[in-house]
Amino acid sequence: ILNVEQSPQSLHVQEGDSTNFTCSFPSSNFYALHWYRWETAKSPEALFVMTLNGDEKKKGRISATLNTKEGYSYLYIKGSQPEDSATYLCASPTTTDSWGKFQFGAGTQVVVTP
Amino acid sequence: GAVVSQHPSRVICKSGTSVKIECRSLDFQATTMFWYRQFPKQSLMLMATSNEGSKATYEQGVEKDKFLINHASLTLSTLTVTSAHPEDSSFYICSATEQNNSPLHFGNGTRLTVT
Repeated sequence: ILNVEQSPQSLHVQEGDSTNFTCSFPSSNFYALHWYRWETAKSPEALFVMTLNGDEKKKGRISATLNTKEGYSYLYIKGSQPEDSATYLCASPTTTDSWGKFQFGAGTQVVVTP
Repeated sequence: GAVVSQHPSRVICKSGTSVKIECRSLDFQATTMFWYRQFPKQSLMLMATSNEGSKATYEQGVEKDKFLINHASLTLSTLTVTSAHPEDSSFYICSATEQNNSPLHFGNGTRLTVT
């Protein structure tokens, strides 16, 4: 995998259901993997910074796992609520020489319907 | 928490004119800021890295004479789209980080429409 890729592009979830989606990234020279939530008319907000293989992080009903050897991360939303509706972005640094230069996935747009 | 402010949020300009977009870190100092561009249904594409007190570093394929970046202070970076054309119409967003290994803090973005 040469680029950061996310799937699916979008998904619709019924309120109360749980869901998950994927971020794939280059596994060679891995440094970090970020997840961001981007709500309409707002700025992207950092959810997780993940660095260690096997890492699992949690923030409320949202959690993420990381597999650096195979180059993927899952983001899980448990008991989805309408306020979880947003585009979720993952990003990985393109270089370790300059922190902040990230390659972003195209995002997974989540729509939670009541 | 760290806040990045970006202005304007929306701008419409005529072909041939220039547009300046400001990105400010409100409660932290940012020696480096990043400018991204997003086309519909595509990912954020890094355009350039803005370095306080020195020249910006542009990504491959980004015209530095078209997209002028100035980072005159530790809290302000500006992106000027010069001689704008309709194909420059896009969503531009800036970000900054407080320190290495920290997450990015984003502005709200600027929707540029060139008529």
